[in-house]
Amino acid sequence: DAGVIQSPRHEVTEMGQEVTLRCKPISGHNSLFWYRQTMMRGLELLIYFNNNVPIDDSGMPEDRFSAKMPNASFSTLKIQPSEPRDSAVYFCASSFTGLQGAFFGQGTRLTVV
Amino acid sequence: QKEVEQNSGPLSVPEGAIASLNCTYSDRGSQSFFWYRQYSGKSPELIMSIYSNGDKEDGRFTAQLNKASQYVSLLIRDSQPSDSATYLCAGSRGGSQGNLIFGKGTKLSVKP
Repeated sequence: DAGVIQSPRHEVTEMGQEVTLRCKPISGHNSLFWYRQTMMRGLELLIYFNNNVPIDDSGMPEDRFSAKMPNASFSTLKIQPSEPRDSAVYFCASSFTGLQGAFFGQGTRLTVV
Repeated sequence: QKEVEQNSGPLSVPEGAIASLNCTYSDRGSQSFFWYRQYSGKSPELIMSIYSNGDKEDGRFTAQLNKASQYVSLLIRDSQPSDSATYLCAGSRGGSQGNLIFGKGTKLSVKP
């Protein structure tokens, strides 16, 4: 299994630009998570999908952030407009609902200048 | 606010020693707990899971859970320099097994 696949691995963008992060979960997993990791705040859950339906988006910091999961094999996290404080590593993770825990992708390191 | 607390470290142990990592959690509804290892610049890697009170062993790793004390620990026996990493403790949000709350991690350094 290829694991969770994220793209791009690195993104540098200017403040105000739109950023789209992409994720392909592990085949057969029915839960998908978007996390953000910073030194100050650690790993924070942004949004959680189960069977492609958003279940908990209370971690999405502002309306500038949006996430979609149009099918079981693809999800996007969009930031529009981006701001320097959005600079972080964004991880996508997937799990099979139950007792397995979540498996992480390699992450996208976002830098907004 | 449901939280998972860990000592940020760094925890330094000599090669061959036992490293003991601890965390506490506040959500009594949490049913399952996980330890992740994260090397610098890499993604978290799941290394242990535990759901019942007591100990669970896997190779050099032993996870311990005490639900009454809301306490989880990870022991690494015969520590190796390659074990040097940040270890993240995570607990399931009550009633949602796949949805995890993470601690901020403990940085472990194993000295040769």
